[in-house]
Amino acid sequence: DAKTTQPPSMDCAEGRAANLPCNHSTISGNEYVYWYRQIHSQGPQYIIHGLKNNETNEMASLIITEDRKSSTLILPHATLRDTAVYYCIAAIRDDKIIFGKGTRLHILP
Amino acid sequence: DVKVTQSSRYLVKRTGEKVFLECVQDMDHENMFWYRQDPGLGLRLIYFSYDVKMKEKGDIPEGYSVSREKKERFSLILESASTNQTSMYLCASSFTWEQTTYEQYFGPGTRLTVT
Repeated sequence: DAKTTQPPSMDCAEGRAANLPCNHSTISGNEYVYWYRQIHSQGPQYIIHGLKNNETNEMASLIITEDRKSSTLILPHATLRDTAVYYCIAAIRDDKIIFGKGTRLHILP
Repeated sequence: DVKVTQSSRYLVKRTGEKVFLECVQDMDHENMFWYRQDPGLGLRLIYFSYDVKMKEKGDIPEGYSVSREKKERFSLILESASTNQTSMYLCASSFTWEQTTYEQYFGPGTRLTVT
C-alpha cells in the first residue's frame, strides 16, 4: 500500500472551506484514495474515496491531481463539529486500509 | 443506518485475566475487523474476518485471538491480559459486493485498562 503524507495539524475558521492536503506520490494505478475522520472519543467515520476522478458527496469533495500523486479533501463550510483527525489512506481495497497519523483539524469559532 | 456496537465502553481487568471483547453489526456485512489505537501509533489492525469461521492476522496479532461463529458477531480474546494491552479497541465492519469492498463502519470503541 502507498504511503501517505499529511500535515500534522491545521486550523480553519468556522464557515470557511477547509482544504486538507495529502501526498501519495507512490500510489499505484489500482489504489484508491480514502478519507476517514475521527472525532474525539468516537470510532473513525468514512468520508469519501476516489480513484482518478474528483468525487463529491454530502460530506465533502475529493480532488485528485491528474498524476494522482496528491489529493485534497474539501469541507465546503466547516463547522465546529468538523473538528477531528482526518486520515488519508491509499489502498487497493478498503479491507486492508492502514491508518497513518492523520491531520488534526481545528475549526476556530 | 449501519450500527456497530461493542459490549463495553470502558473495561478494567487484571494482569493474567482472560478478556473477551464483543462486537456486533446489524447490516449483514461479510467483513469484520479489530483494531487497537494508541497515542502516537494510530490505528493498527489486529485481526480481520471475511466470513463466518474465517480469520486473518493483521499487523499485530500477538497476544490476541478471535472468534467468528456468527456473521454478525466478532469477538476479540486476550488469552492472558498484560499491561501493554491497555489500549482503545475498535471494531469495524464492511460489505463486499461484486469483488469490491466498501467503506468500513466503526463501533464506538472499548477503552481497556489492564492493571
